[in-house]
Amino acid sequence: GAVVSQHPSRVICKSGTSVKIECRSLDFQATTMFWYRQFPKQSLMLMATSNEGSKATYEQGVEKDKFLINHASLTLSTLTVTSAHPEDSSFYICSANLAPDGNYGYTFGSGTRLTVV
Amino acid sequence: QQPVQSPQAVILREGEDAVINCSSSKALYSVHWYRQKHGEAPVFLMILLKGGEQKGHDKISASFNEKKQQSSLYLTASQLSYSGTYFCGTERGSGNTGKLIFGQGTTLQVKP
Repeated sequence: GAVVSQHPSRVICKSGTSVKIECRSLDFQATTMFWYRQFPKQSLMLMATSNEGSKATYEQGVEKDKFLINHASLTLSTLTVTSAHPEDSSFYICSANLAPDGNYGYTFGSGTRLTVV
Repeated sequence: QQPVQSPQAVILREGEDAVINCSSSKALYSVHWYRQKHGEAPVFLMILLKGGEQKGHDKISASFNEKKQQSSLYLTASQLSYSGTYFCGTERGSGNTGKLIFGQGTTLQVKP
């Protein structure tokens, strides 16, 4: 089945530094990928839609200058958390749809646990 | 707007049945169901599209009532592996935008 590979799985960084998270579709092309954030014991909140070859679209309340998204190829989207602060600590997950017009739902990456100290 | 799930939590014995509900105040194009184990990413269970019929595989099935803007997930003869948090995800409007808005989740615990 379709696989979305996400790296790193865990990262600890210091306040003020930037962290890049990669999301790759391994056996299919994804013109669109989605980035979610999940705080402990809470639901997944959609942050932004990553579009190959164009700018990402951000959900209301998500700072586009803080969460930089790049989708330079059909198989890779990256999320960079810039000038990270402890409140950015969260579980970040990407997803992609194998068949946009089908019944396949969305495949999620394994997630990245970010801890900012 | 976030769909509302009920109940918030369920504790079952192996072999018992459970129903998880998901309702929205907005018209829905589709409803997705996912299960998430602790510390892991959500896993797709099934999708119900507007105009589609009830779906299911193995002992997990779901229904979608478009008029009521509700979906229900049915777990029958539950197994220990069913434990986890179940999320419904809804897509609004008329198209397959890919923008899933998830409910707050229902935690299911199956005990031996």
